[in-house]
Order: sequence, then structure tokens, then C-alpha cells
Amino acid sequence: AQKITQTQPGMFVQEKEAVTLDCTYDTSDPSYGLFWYKQPSSGEMIFLIYQGSYDQQNATEGRYSLNFQKARKSANLVISASQLGDSAMYFCAMSLLNQGGSEKLVFGKGTKLTVNP
Amino acid sequence: GAVVSQHPSRVICKSGTSVKIECRSLDFQATTMFWYRQFPKQSLMLMATSNEGSKATYEQGVEKDKFLINHASLTLSTLTVTSAHPEDSSFYICSAQGPNSGNTIYFGEGSWLTVV
Repeated sequence: AQKITQTQPGMFVQEKEAVTLDCTYDTSDPSYGLFWYKQPSSGEMIFLIYQGSYDQQNATEGRYSLNFQKARKSANLVISASQLGDSAMYFCAMSLLNQGGSEKLVFGKGTKLTVNP
Repeated sequence: GAVVSQHPSRVICKSGTSVKIECRSLDFQATTMFWYRQFPKQSLMLMATSNEGSKATYEQGVEKDKFLINHASLTLSTLTVTSAHPEDSSFYICSAQGPNSGNTIYFGEGSWLTVV
């Protein structure tokens, strides 16, 4: 069964430092996508970064990078130069192919990141 | 700016009444929309997949008659919680995907439902 595991319920980081949020996944499908979303207290889900299973290079988007290790089935999110506004819940998700070709997301339990001044 | 809009953002309704939540894609045609439910401090759980012009596909354990989903156009899907009860109080959030949205799946702002 497809599953996403985030083992860190909470993480603390000092402002301006880097932090890594862990994510491991389990799937038997050869083709899949991995996503990271940020959810502030307002509830909206903000897309951060995407990594396809066949992508050769790790995805990067500004201060966000995804450390994709396919053999270990891990897709850790690295946030560099943390800012106070980065404090939020972070969810790792994997896309699964629906019948009809659309993709649905399976989410991990999330990691609450707190950036300290 | 937002590419998926959800309305209302907060709604309070009386037990036994029905409430409708709208999800609109603003910048692209969403052939598929998804409805999730999130309890406090928990992850998002997929309720159903909504395909334009056809019946929604519900996840196991989700009552079809209680959570009515309509995807009448390529830009609008609605979730109606019928005969709402206090245990239906939750955060409901939609996401959308279309042929031109690439690999990104965009989410709406979410709707906080409180049933009193």
C-alpha cells in the first residue's frame, strides 16, 4: 500500500539557519510524484516543491530544495536561511494515479516547524 | 495570486441543515477536483475525486448521500454536507488539477465548517 511517513511531529530551528524535514514513502508504482506543502495557521495549503520519480536532479525552488534519494525512498525538504514566516505545518505528499488518469494525493501526518528569533 | 478559490471560508450552520461549499479554478480548466477533510492537528484525508461531467468517486468509508459532490463545469465543483451534525464540523479543502496545470496540484483556501 502507498504510504507517506513523516517521523518528526515538531521541529525547531533558529532564524537564518537551515532545517531538514524528513519524509519517507512506500509505493510499488514505478511512476509517482512527491510534493511538499506548507500549511500556516490560516489553513490554506501552499505548494512548495515537486519531484517526479524519474527526475534525475533534485528539485529546487528558491530557499526550498528536495533531497530525493530514490533507493532509500526518501524525499526530505531542506529549507535554507529560515525566516520567522516559515513557522507552519509542513506536509509531504505522494501522488497516486486514479482510474481515469487523474492523480490523487496521499499525505503524511505533517511536521510543525517553529522558527525561533 | 490564488488559482483555486473556495467559498465560504467559514460557515456555521444548525444541526440538521445542509451547507454547500464551492471550489473554483480561476486560471485553468480543472477536469478533476479533489475534496479533503482535515480534523484539528491531523493530516488531510481524501474524501472524493470529482470529475467534470461524471459521478464523483468516493473513498472508502465516506458516505455518498451525506457528502454530495457536483462538478457541473470545468471551473466549479461543489460539496454539500447534508443533514449536518456536530461531528461533521471540520476543515474542508479542495484541490484542482487540469491538463494545463502541469505537475502542480493547487489547493483552495479551505472552509471551516462548524455545526451547532
